[in-house]
Amino acid sequence: AQSVTQPDIHITVSEGASLELRCNYSYGATPYLFWYVQSPGQGLQLLLKYFSGDTLVQGIKGFEAEFKRSQSSFNLRKPSVHWSDAAEYFCAVGAGNNRKLIWGLGTSLAVNP
Amino acid sequence: GAGVSQSPSNKVTEKGKDVELRCDPISGHTALYWYRQSLGQGLEFLIYFQGNSAPDKSGLPSDRFSAERTGGSVSTLTIQRTQQEDSAVYLCASSLWGDKAFFGQGTRLTVV
Repeated sequence: AQSVTQPDIHITVSEGASLELRCNYSYGATPYLFWYVQSPGQGLQLLLKYFSGDTLVQGIKGFEAEFKRSQSSFNLRKPSVHWSDAAEYFCAVGAGNNRKLIWGLGTSLAVNP
Repeated sequence: GAGVSQSPSNKVTEKGKDVELRCDPISGHTALYWYRQSLGQGLEFLIYFQGNSAPDKSGLPSDRFSAERTGGSVSTLTIQRTQQEDSAVYLCASSLWGDKAFFGQGTRLTVV
């Protein structure tokens, strides 16, 4: 069955530190891949997406993600975290003939000053 | 409209009552999703509409939950005989096939 795993439920980093949020998926073919952010009291916002082509994709707010087929991963990275990045981050894949979105359970990011 | 619109934004209902939640997707979007999000939790998939295909209802938690999408546009999620555990934020999203999903602001349902 198709699934998305975000192994880290909660991560705390210091402001200015680098960040990597993990996402692994289970799907036979190359899925469509997405990262979303949900800030406190806000709706879900797309950070970036991968469909094909260059496996390193750039998103908004300085985020990037790299698709690694061999590892079935699509990890989200940011070189220097800002306090405003504290939020819930969700990885999603669009899989199957109907490209239905399948979501990870999310990673909660806290940023220490 | 420019985005996905959900109404009402907040709904308080008594246990045992029926509620209807409405979603107006972005015009032209063929896919429409309903999710439920409890406090501090991830997205719980409820139902997925894609074009004229039969909806994927595999996420509906019980037969008290149902959803319709009329004319390939507006969708209504109905919860019958509401229970306290139904309290959550109900999110609607729409997309073009396979592309990024745009989310509404959600309906916060409280069952008292």
